[in-house]
Amino acid sequence: DAGVTQSPTHLIKTRGQHVTLRCSPISGHKSVSWYQQVLGQGPQFIFQYYEKEERGRGNFPDRFSARQFPNYSSELNVNALLLGDSALYLCASSFVTRSYEQYFGPGTRLTVT
Amino acid sequence: SQQGEEDPQALSIQEGENATMNCSYKTSINNLQWYRQNSGRGLVHLILIRSNEREKHSGRLRVTLDTSKKSSSLLITASRAADTASYFCATDALGNQGGKLIFGQGTELSVKP
Repeated sequence: DAGVTQSPTHLIKTRGQHVTLRCSPISGHKSVSWYQQVLGQGPQFIFQYYEKEERGRGNFPDRFSARQFPNYSSELNVNALLLGDSALYLCASSFVTRSYEQYFGPGTRLTVT
Repeated sequence: SQQGEEDPQALSIQEGENATMNCSYKTSINNLQWYRQNSGRGLVHLILIRSNEREKHSGRLRVTLDTSKKSSSLLITASRAADTASYFCATDALGNQGGKLIFGQGTELSVKP
């Protein structure tokens, strides 16, 4: 079975632009979570979606939004990009919302210049 | 904000030696998990220990949990060069209804052949 996939792998954007990151969970997994990992730090929780509904939101501004589609894939959108949004964005999937083992994708490296 | 502090931030050992990493956290938890990350890519789940457990083993990994001290340790025995990676503890906080994990800042392990 394929693991969690994310696209694109790398992305370079300019301050003020908008970006959309995509994630496809493992087949059969209904929960997708997004994390931001700034260089040298641990991942920080952004959102969790389960069955297309938001189940959790971290301490991120409203410039960050996400959604989950009927096939359980997910998009993370970030508006009005700031230099500080440069990070590795990780997607994790699990079968149910309280699954104790989350499967992470390889991440999307976003650079904002 | 990060939940945990990991110690040391970096650790360099020779192949065959044991590596011990420590994690402290701030709030009561349901469980604590350890993840591994190679070269800033996706995280791989290593082991989970529940709040009512004190010690757990998986292959060359041994995890301990002291809830009175809000701390955990990960021991990797007979380390190999392939164990070189960053290691993160992540907590599932008590009262969490979703899959949100709170990560520490990580320990960067280097195992020299």
